[in-house]
Amino acid sequence: DAGVIQSPRHEVTEMGQEVTLRCKPISGHNSLFWYRQTMMRGLELLIYFNNNVPIDDSGMPEDRFSAKMPNASFSTLKIQPSEPRDSAVYFCASRLWEGMAAFFGQGTRLTVV
Amino acid sequence: RKEVEQDPGPFNVPEGATVAFNCTYSNSASQSFFWYRQDCRKEPKLLMSVYSSGNEDGRFTAQLNRASQYISLLIRDSKLSDSATYLCVLNSGGYQKVTFGTGTKLQVIP
Repeated sequence: DAGVIQSPRHEVTEMGQEVTLRCKPISGHNSLFWYRQTMMRGLELLIYFNNNVPIDDSGMPEDRFSAKMPNASFSTLKIQPSEPRDSAVYFCASRLWEGMAAFFGQGTRLTVV
Repeated sequence: RKEVEQDPGPFNVPEGATVAFNCTYSNSASQSFFWYRQDCRKEPKLLMSVYSSGNEDGRFTAQLNRASQYISLLIRDSKLSDSATYLCVLNSGGYQKVTFGTGTKLQVIP
């Protein structure tokens, strides 16, 4: 059974470029989460979806960040334009239903130079 | 006050020792609790759920104290492979937002 699949695993981009991170949740899961992790700030919840609908995006740092979930099997996190301070590991996680634990993808390591 | 607070450590313990971590939370309406472990440069992985009555999984015991709003994790007979960061996690709110603590780093020493 495939877990949460994220792509790309690594991304190096220049400041000002658009970056798109992708996530395929576990089939049948109804919640999807995007997190960002840095040494300084730990794991930060950026946004989460329930049944493809964004529930809480208060963690999205600014308008340069946007996330979509067009269907139950795919989500994207976009940064436009990217800045060096966006360098971090971005994790996607999915959950079967509200009372259960979330399962994480392997993450995308983003470096903005 | 942060929603979930943990002592960052590091906790350096010898092999075979027993070690305990606590985690406090501020939202009394939190409904589900978990411990995750995260190895260096890897994703967080579920270690165990935490039930109101307390629960055990091998060398690991988790407890929940709703009155004092904390959860704990006890590791007995520590192994070198237990070295990792342990994250306290809770689900709260109408759609059960998942909130992580900052983690406690454990280093088991030979």
